[in-house]
Amino acid sequence: SAVISQKPSRDICQRGTSLTIQCQVDSQVTMMFWYRQQPGQSLTLIATANQGSEATYESGFVIDKFPISRPNLTFSTLTVSNMSPEDSSIYLCSVDWRGSGNTIYFGEGSWLTVV
Amino acid sequence: QKEVEQDPGPLSVPEGAIVSLNCTYSNSAFQYFMWYRQYSRKGPELLMYTYSSGNKEDGRFTAQVDKSSKYISLFIRDSQPSDSATYLCAMSGVSYNTDKLIFGTGTRLQVFP
Repeated sequence: SAVISQKPSRDICQRGTSLTIQCQVDSQVTMMFWYRQQPGQSLTLIATANQGSEATYESGFVIDKFPISRPNLTFSTLTVSNMSPEDSSIYLCSVDWRGSGNTIYFGEGSWLTVV
Repeated sequence: QKEVEQDPGPLSVPEGAIVSLNCTYSNSAFQYFMWYRQYSRKGPELLMYTYSSGNKEDGRFTAQVDKSSKYISLFIRDSQPSDSATYLCAMSGVSYNTDKLIFGTGTRLQVFP
C-alpha cells in the first residue's frame, strides 16, 4: 500500500482566510483525490487530480473555492479559500494504488476548524 | 433515495461477539465493493475489497456481496475492543476512469470488554 502524509494534521482558521493542505505520497501514483468529511457525514469527493492536467471537480465544488495543484506524481495541494464556518471539516487526500480503481488509500486527514 | 444506505449505529457488542455490518445500494452498475475502518480522528483504512458477487475472507473479517439483492456485508468474528471504530462501505462501477467511489455514511461499532 502507499504511505500518504498530509500537512497540516489540524488547524484553527479565521473566517475569510485561506489554507493550503499538502499531500505527499511515498510512491508515484497517477490519480490522486481530495475528499471532504463533514462532522457526522460520510466522505464526499471534491476533485480528482491527475499530474499534468487540470483537476476535475465534482458537482458543488468549484476551482475558485478549492484550487488544486498536482506538480508531480507524488505531491498535491488543496487550498480552501475564503473560509467560512461551513468549511469546518476533515479534508482527506487519497490515491488510487495500482491504478485499478478498487484500491483507494487515504491519508490521515487534515482537521480544519473555521472560527 | 441515496445510492448507498448504511445504518449509522452505534452498534454495541460484547467482546468475542460476531458482528454483522451491512450496506444496501440502488445502482446495479456497482461492481467493486470495499470496506473501510476509520478510527476516531484518523483517515479511513482499507480493510477489504471484493469484485462482483461472492465472499472474501481475511483473518477475522469476511466480506459478502449479494448483487441480486444489492446488499453487502462485513462480518467480524471474535470481535475485540480494538475493533471499535466507524466502518464505511464504498462501491464503484467498472470504469475506473469515470466511476467514482460512493461511500455509505458509516456504522459506528463499539466493542466492550
